[in-house]
Amino acid sequence: AQKVTQAQTEISVVEKEDVTLDCVYETRDTTYYLFWYKQPPSGELVFLIRRNSFDEQNEISGRYSWNFQKSTSSFNFTITASQVVDSAVYFCALSALGTSYDKVIFGPGTSLSVIP
Amino acid sequence: DVKVTQSSRYLVKRTGEKVFLECVQDMDHENMFWYRQDPGLGLRLIYFSYDVKMKEKGDIPEGYSVSREKKERFSLILESASTNQTSMYLCASSLYRASSYNEQFFGPGTRLTVL
Repeated sequence: AQKVTQAQTEISVVEKEDVTLDCVYETRDTTYYLFWYKQPPSGELVFLIRRNSFDEQNEISGRYSWNFQKSTSSFNFTITASQVVDSAVYFCALSALGTSYDKVIFGPGTSLSVIP
Repeated sequence: DVKVTQSSRYLVKRTGEKVFLECVQDMDHENMFWYRQDPGLGLRLIYFSYDVKMKEKGDIPEGYSVSREKKERFSLILESASTNQTSMYLCASSLYRASSYNEQFFGPGTRLTVL
């Protein structure tokens, strides 16, 4: 079975603090993709990053960075020097070639509040 | 930019009513999806479609049906709305069929309340 766990339901940080959002996944497939999406208060999920199972290099994009570790089945997301605009619900998601269609498994989401 | 639009942001209906939620995408994507989002449960797939007139059940299809008569439009139908269908409904699209590589593009959501 495929599953995505985001153990942190809600996180509050003060502006400029660093924050890490955890994501743990389960799959038996050897080829899969992991995603992070952001859902701001406006409601529209926005794609942030995709990672394939063969690429464990960490990635940095501005204040955002992602740490993919197959050994622990984790794909954590860190925001450095958080800003109020980072307040949103963040979803980690998994898709695998073993499925018969484009099914994506979403985690329950982590609600991040950045306090000024 | 891909744009996915949904017909309503907020909708209030009564129990037993037939409800139509419309979704349109403007980038010629093959796949379209309907999810419902509930607190603590994340996004759950109701139905998806990979081509015109084609549809596949997702994880929670009971009480819903869909229609895709044109490539750009995917409709979700609640035949007889019930209070447990009060939720946020999200439409999404992605480019190619059967490619786990695709990211999905989402509409702004429709918050449906069934009284």
